Amino acid sequence: QVQLVESGGGVVQPGRSLRLSCAASGFTFRNYGMQWVRQAPGKGLEWVAVIWYDGSNKYYADSVKGRFTISRDNSKNTLFLQMNSLRGEDTAVYYCATASGDYVASWWGQGTLVTVSS
Amino acid sequence: QSALTQPASVSGSPGQSITISCTGTSSDVGGYNYVSWYQQHPGKAPKLMIYEVSNRPSGVSNRFSGSKSGNTASLTISGLQAEDEADYYCSSFTSSSTLVFGTGTKVTVL
Repeated sequence: QVQLVESGGGVVQPGRSLRLSCAASGFTFRNYGMQWVRQAPGKGLEWVAVIWYDGSNKYYADSVKGRFTISRDNSKNTLFLQMNSLRGEDTAVYYCATASGDYVASWWGQGTLVTVSS
Repeated sequence: QSALTQPASVSGSPGQSITISCTGTSSDVGGYNYVSWYQQHPGKAPKLMIYEVSNRPSGVSNRFSGSKSGNTASLTISGLQAEDEADYYCSSFTSSSTLVFGTGTKVTVL
């Protein structure tokens, strides 16, 4: 069965960096676009970034552009999110999800919590 | 990119039908047939319920249906059941090749 397992979350000080990973299994990872979606405590879903199946294109939400970088390693079936210059408003559960065609998220991970606090 | 507009809450009795709206602009909802709907129970990851306006993934009940008119998409849940109580989010592809989510709607089964 399809599994997406995020890791790398934790508590980090404002201005510091963190790298999230998402290990995929149960499907042909290299054939799928992938994306990150976040949810601040008690708030709604916010789209973060997408990367095409071959890594050739990447798009970001304005709120993270220039600070976050999405990447993937198809040889290791793993998706990444490098988060720099973190702010309090980046505190959220970060979900990785598949991104078919028009970014339809058919499968989701369980999420990893990132807390930005001094 | 501003979030799509959804009602904060919708409620209905078991067996009734409810409809959740999702309003955007011509740069997102109105410009593409790429609207999806997600269900999220507390503490859980979202689940895809509808994609490309009106298509149901395998395994999703046919009590869930989607439609679109102009800049507004809608999700209808018929034969409301207790297990349908959850938060629902719409999303749309945008002209900037990004994705935007709706503000979310809490569905309560009375």
